Amino acid sequence: GAVVSQHPSWVICKSGTSVKIECRSLDFQATTMFWYRQFPKQSLMLMATSNEGSKATYEQGVEKDKFLINHASLTLSTLTVTSAHPEDSSFYICSARGGTALHFGNGTRLTVT
Amino acid sequence: AQRVTQPEKLLSVFKGAPVELKCNYSYSGSPELFWYVQYSRQRLQLLLRHISRESIKGFTADLNKGETSFHLKKPFAQEEDSAMYYCALGLGGGSNYKLTFGKGTLLTVNP
Repeated sequence: GAVVSQHPSWVICKSGTSVKIECRSLDFQATTMFWYRQFPKQSLMLMATSNEGSKATYEQGVEKDKFLINHASLTLSTLTVTSAHPEDSSFYICSARGGTALHFGNGTRLTVT
Repeated sequence: AQRVTQPEKLLSVFKGAPVELKCNYSYSGSPELFWYVQYSRQRLQLLLRHISRESIKGFTADLNKGETSFHLKKPFAQEEDSAMYYCALGLGGGSNYKLTFGKGTLLTVNP
């Protein structure tokens, strides 16, 4: 089945630094990938839609200068959390569309100290 | 705007009992509906979708356009069914495709 690999699984960084999260579709090409954020015991909130070769589409309330998304190839999208603050600590999940279903990565637990 | 409502945050049943996880949606067009499941410490994975009308792990879900519902059912719950279940609504196409999730229902199946 379709596999989406997300790296790293967890990261701890200091306030003010930037963190990059990678999302790869391993056995299929994904022109569109999605980035979600999940707070404890809450649902997934769509942050942005990442389109290969073009700018990402951000959801209302998501700062595009803070959450930089790059979709350089059909199998890789990256999310960079710039100048991270403790309130950015969360679980970030990517997904890629393969066929008519979304396939999800394992998520990245970001902790900003 | 489209919305997915899962009224129950928590649902607890005993092994062998029937289980129904409720999902209602608001969308005026023809929806594409899914159920995703997240087992403890695992990634979110597709359980079933309404267009395929399949039964996965004994679960079924029927789209009821009149009631705008897509409830997930299983006649005899098993302990391994304990997980977080999300109902999702897919809209748009191509680069405009978007999947909206409900808040999820945590199912616990007791021995």
